[in-house]
Amino acid sequence: AQSVTQLGSHVSVSEGALVLLRCNYSSSVPPYLFWYVQYPNQGLQLLLKYTSAATLVKGINGFEAEFKKSETSFHLTKPSAHMSDAAEYFCAVSVVTNAGKSTFGDGTTLTVKP
Amino acid sequence: SQTIHQWPATLVQPVGSPLSLECTVEGTSNPNLYWYRQAAGRGLQLLFYSVGIGQISSEVPQNLSASRPQDRQFILSSKKLLLSDSGFYLCAWGDKGVVAEAFFGQGTRLTVV
Repeated sequence: AQSVTQLGSHVSVSEGALVLLRCNYSSSVPPYLFWYVQYPNQGLQLLLKYTSAATLVKGINGFEAEFKKSETSFHLTKPSAHMSDAAEYFCAVSVVTNAGKSTFGDGTTLTVKP
Repeated sequence: SQTIHQWPATLVQPVGSPLSLECTVEGTSNPNLYWYRQAAGRGLQLLFYSVGIGQISSEVPQNLSASRPQDRQFILSSKKLLLSDSGFYLCAWGDKGVVAEAFFGQGTRLTVV
């Protein structure tokens, strides 16, 4: 079975500062990894995904993530935070043997201070 | 383009009342369909998934059931709601064949009182 752990349920940064949201995964087979963003009272929206094509993945809104197999990590970063980045972020993992079902982390709430 | 519709957006129901949440997908065929529940301050818990009409798999034992009467329609139901059924319910769809991302509806905030 696969799992993800998001380190830090709450992260606070100043506007313009680096955003780093941490995600570690566990999987016995090659994983597919995703980051989603959720704004209040809305569904989740895909930010980016890793499907083994490239270890550094660029997504929407200036976010990117790097797959590090040796560290079993898939951390999400953005060089400069914007007020509109305040939201909840979820890391998720899927494997081909699991009918496309994703396992989600508990989420990290990002606060951006002016 | 594909779209997913989920309704209602909010719902307040008394304990013991029935529940029916509906989700429909447009612009694709034979998708995988999912129901998730999100409790306050917690991640997403997969409740049900379906790979085809009439094919429902339950991930956790609970007071809820799901049905897929048509290819792009997914319904979440309960005969008698419990207080613990309160939460944010999300419907999602995904493509078959490859591991693909899930596309989510806007969610239903259910409060059982």
